[in-house]
Amino acid sequence: GENVEQHPSTLSVQEGDSAVIKCTYSDSASNYFPWYKQELGKRPQLIIDIRSNVGEKKDQRIAVTLNKTAKHFSLHITETQPEDSAVYFCAASIRGTGNQFYFGTGTSLTVIP
Amino acid sequence: DTGVSQNPRHKITKRGQNVTFRCDPISEHNRLYWYRQTLGQGPEFLTYFQNEAQLEKSRLLSDRFSAERPKGSFSTLEIQRTEQGDSAMYLCASSQSGGVSSYNEQFFGPGTRLTVL
Repeated sequence: GENVEQHPSTLSVQEGDSAVIKCTYSDSASNYFPWYKQELGKRPQLIIDIRSNVGEKKDQRIAVTLNKTAKHFSLHITETQPEDSAVYFCAASIRGTGNQFYFGTGTSLTVIP
Repeated sequence: DTGVSQNPRHKITKRGQNVTFRCDPISEHNRLYWYRQTLGQGPEFLTYFQNEAQLEKSRLLSDRFSAERPKGSFSTLEIQRTEQGDSAMYLCASSQSGGVSSYNEQFFGPGTRLTVL
């Protein structure tokens, strides 16, 4: 099955700085890559996703890049704010199958005011 | 609230007891997933349904686990003879398959936290 690795496990940045989280996947058939944000005690919520036919996607301060050849994708958060503090999970799935998600182990992001 | 709901939110049980959790997906969603999340880890896939059919089960799902979705709406996850290693957050998610742009965003419920003593 698919194996998703995520780094770093913890990340601290000063407010206003950028944060980058990286993930790699093993199954070249994976073609959908969502990113979820999970605040303490709350459910995971989708913040951005990217399909395999796109190399980059941006939504305001959040962007995701995908390198299919290298099988890695990254989340970029610019101008970080304290409310960005949370655990972020990357995932990979294969459209056309059950679409179950294979998640990374998470990155705990702390934005220091 | 039109999101995914799960009950109970917390369950404490003694080892060896049976427990059952319920998930109510977003009403128009035909796919329903169960995941397990332990502390410091990402959610791990357990099983999923398309309508009432259970189409895939992870190897993580031992014989003590059973899931149903009898009418293609809500789902239940039962764990028999619970073990301490079953302690985790059990998350349910739903999605709608099909359609032009259906890369199947999954909407998660708040989870049921199980503690086995």
